[in-house]
Amino acid sequence: TQLLEQSPQFLSIQEGENLTVYCNSSSVFSSLQWYRQEPGEGPVLLVTVVTGGEVKKLKRLTFQFGDARKDSSLHITAAQPGDTGLYLCAWRKGDYKLSFGAGTTVTVRA
Amino acid sequence: GAGVSQSPSNKVTEKGKDVELRCDPISGHTALYWYRQRLGQGLEFLIYFQGNSAPDKSGLPSDRFSAERTGESVSTLTIQRTQQEDSAVYLCASSLSNGNTEAFFGQGTRLTVV
Repeated sequence: TQLLEQSPQFLSIQEGENLTVYCNSSSVFSSLQWYRQEPGEGPVLLVTVVTGGEVKKLKRLTFQFGDARKDSSLHITAAQPGDTGLYLCAWRKGDYKLSFGAGTTVTVRA
Repeated sequence: GAGVSQSPSNKVTEKGKDVELRCDPISGHTALYWYRQRLGQGLEFLIYFQGNSAPDKSGLPSDRFSAERTGESVSTLTIQRTQQEDSAVYLCASSLSNGNTEAFFGQGTRLTVV
């Protein structure tokens, strides 16, 4: 069983600050997905990373996949209150089930 | 439909009663997932369907939980003899089955057992 560990569990920052959340495992992933879940909603896909060392940017969000494909990080620059939510990383092997980490709850204070 | 639809959106039930939760996936999506999310926590996998078959039921917490899918479309999750620890948001997601395709989630059913 591949276990996705996310850290920190909770993160509270002031608007305009930067933050990084992590997703780690002892196993190698073929790919990783990052989702954001806002209160009262289902998770929504932000990005899929596939290649070791890959960096993807989505406006103020930067996603990195580790060279060994065992870990990933999400960095948010100049966080805004709209970035508040639960950030989840997920892994799926082929056609198999989609497994999620426990998530990082991010709160951005105005 | 345009997205994954779940009903009801909220359900309050008495301990010991049975409940049935419904999920309408996106048309054409062969993969369907049920997850449970307790307050302030991540997603706990329950069951996965590929078409109408469930190759992985390993996440169902007890024999009080069951799920079915018909016509490669609608799925129902049934919880019998509900307990207070069953209180949670139950999320359904669907996706095309291959590769790194995106899973689309419904808004969930918030179940409260009193």
